[in-house]
Amino acid sequence: NAGVTQTPKFRVLKTGQSMTLLCAQDMNHEYMYWYRQDPGMGLRLIHYSVGEGTTAKGEVPDGYNVSRLKKQNFLLGLESAAPSQTSVYFCASSTLTVYQETQYFGPGTRLLVL
Amino acid sequence: AQKITQTQPGMFVQEKEAVTLDCTYDTSDPSYGLFWYKQPSSGEMIFLIYQGSYDQQNATEGRYSLNFQKARKSANLVISASQLGDSAMYFCAMSPISGAGSYQLTFGKGTKLSVIP
Repeated sequence: NAGVTQTPKFRVLKTGQSMTLLCAQDMNHEYMYWYRQDPGMGLRLIHYSVGEGTTAKGEVPDGYNVSRLKKQNFLLGLESAAPSQTSVYFCASSTLTVYQETQYFGPGTRLLVL
Repeated sequence: AQKITQTQPGMFVQEKEAVTLDCTYDTSDPSYGLFWYKQPSSGEMIFLIYQGSYDQQNATEGRYSLNFQKARKSANLVISASQLGDSAMYFCAMSPISGAGSYQLTFGKGTKLSVIP
C-alpha cells in the first residue's frame, strides 16, 4: 500500500515549456486534490476532483489544467510554464466519512521554472 | 469563504514541556471541520488531528489535543511532552462539511516549532 505517490519528485523547466505532474493513489479514494505551496505560505488549492471524470477549480487555478480519467490518477498540467509557477506541488486524496474527511498527501513535487 | 490565521510564525519549547500553537478561523458555514497538519523538514504533510464543529468534546490523538472554542473561533493545537522530533512546521486548516465548498481545505500560513534539548 503506497498511499499517494507523485511523479516526478523534482523538475526544472524553462519559461514556456509544458509538463504534466502525475498523482496516483491506491486507497480507492473518491476525492483528489492539487495544491501548491510557496515559501512562507500554507497550501493553496489549485484544482480538485470529486470523482472519475469530474474536475473543479480551486483557489488558484489559472495557468493549470487537470484531468481525472481514472479514479486512481489525477494529472496536473502546465501548458506554458511561467516563473510564478515555481513552487512545491502536493497532491492529496480523501474519502468521505460521516464525521471526518482526512486528506492524505503525497510527498510533493518541486518545480523550478527558469 | 474561509480564513485561517496563525499568528505565531515561530515558537520555541523545551523538550518534555507542553506547547500551544494558536489558530483562529473565520467562516460563514454552519458546519465545518478543523485540521492540524505537521510538515517536517523533509516536506511531507502529516495529518495530526481533526475537530468537527458539531463535536461537543475536544479531539485528542496521543500527545496532540485540540482546544476548540467555538465562540472564540479558535482551534489551538496542544502538544504535550514535546520531543525533538516535533520540530516542524504546523499548519491549521479548515473545510466546510456541506455545500459547494465541501472537502476543500483552506490552510493558515503555519507556525514553525523548534524543540530545544
